Amino acid sequence: TQLLEQSPQFLSIQEGENLTVYCNSSSVFSSLQWYRQEPGEGPVLLVTVVTGGEVKKLKRLTFQFGDARKDSSLHITAAQPGDTGLYLCAGEGSNYKLTFGKGTLLTVNP
Amino acid sequence: KAGVTQTPRYLIKTRGQQVTLSCSPISGHRSVSWYQQTPGQGLQFLFEYFSETQRNKGNFPGRFSGRQFSNSRSEMNVSTLELGDSALYLCASSLATPTDTQYFGPGTRLTVL
Repeated sequence: TQLLEQSPQFLSIQEGENLTVYCNSSSVFSSLQWYRQEPGEGPVLLVTVVTGGEVKKLKRLTFQFGDARKDSSLHITAAQPGDTGLYLCAGEGSNYKLTFGKGTLLTVNP
Repeated sequence: KAGVTQTPRYLIKTRGQQVTLSCSPISGHRSVSWYQQTPGQGLQFLFEYFSETQRNKGNFPGRFSGRQFSNSRSEMNVSTLELGDSALYLCASSLATPTDTQYFGPGTRLTVL
């Protein structure tokens, strides 16, 4: 069974601070997805990383896939209250199966 | 383009009852996946349907079942409800596989008393 561990589980910061969220596994994944979920809504896909060592940027968000494709990180620069939400990583295993981490609940205080 | 819709949004049932949840995918999407989300376990995969066939199944008991219709709409059924079945049930659709861009619905909040 492939598992994804996300850390930290909870994060509360002030507006303008930087933060990094981690997603780690002992398994290799074909690709890794990051989602953000807001209260009362389903997760929304932010990015998919496919190649080991790949770095993708989405405005103030930077996503990195580990060289061995076992881990990933999400870095947010100058966080804003609108970044508040549950951040989920999901790894693609065999046969199109996605395994989700339990998520990091981020609160950005004004 | 309309998003993924799920009905009902909220449901309260008692132990032993059964429940059916419905999901309408985005038009043109043929893959529909179901997930259970709880605070303790996070988002767990239930099953995935493609062209009316169950293509993948997670590690849930047989009380959890689903089906997909020819128009790609999907239903999931939970029989003999237990307290631990209380959760947010999410449906997601994608063009062909779950690893394509998945679009999630808002979920059905099930409470079992």
